[in-house]
Amino acid sequence: DAGVIQSPRHEVTEMGQEVTLRCKPISGHDYLFWYRQTMMRGLELLIYFNNNVPIDDSGMPEDRFSAKMPNASFSTLKIQPSEPRDSAVYFCASSLRRQSYEQYFGPGTRLTVT
Amino acid sequence: GQQLNQSPQSMFIQEGEDVSMNCTSSSIFNTWLWYKQDPGEGPVLLIALYKAGELTSNGRLTAQFGITRKDSFLNISASIPSDVGIYFCAGKDNTNAGKSTFGDGTTLTVKP
Repeated sequence: DAGVIQSPRHEVTEMGQEVTLRCKPISGHDYLFWYRQTMMRGLELLIYFNNNVPIDDSGMPEDRFSAKMPNASFSTLKIQPSEPRDSAVYFCASSLRRQSYEQYFGPGTRLTVT
Repeated sequence: GQQLNQSPQSMFIQEGEDVSMNCTSSSIFNTWLWYKQDPGEGPVLLIALYKAGELTSNGRLTAQFGITRKDSFLNISASIPSDVGIYFCAGKDNTNAGKSTFGDGTTLTVKP
């Protein structure tokens, strides 16, 4: 079975540009999570969805960040405008409630904002 | 909010040695999970624990769910170079359905 798919794997952009990260969760999973990982702050939960509905977005740093899940097989995390401090690895993960919420992570998108 | 203290922060060991790391929580969890992250990859689930006192093995890895439900440990026996990576604990309680709290990770380096 395919795991969580993220694209792009690497993104380099200039400050002020819009960045869109994409995620396809494992088929049938009903939870989707977006994380950000940096050396300084470790692994931070940004937002998570249940059945395509955002449940907790308290980890979203500021209004420049937004996330959507238009259907069960696709989610986006958008940063507009991007800033150098947004440089990090962004992970998407999904889980299935019946498996007690064990999370399966994608390979991540390494974002560099110059 | 919930906090997880994971220790040690980093470990440098010789190949063949055993490794032990642990997580403690300020609150009770109903599920403990251990993940490993290889360089350049996302975390991968190693072991899941669902009951207080539960002891579970996965090859050379053994993890236990503490009796108090506020702690968990992970042991790796006879370490090998491919054990290198970051090990994360994660805990989940009955609130915030679906959401787990992650520790800061233990970075393991194994010298051949």
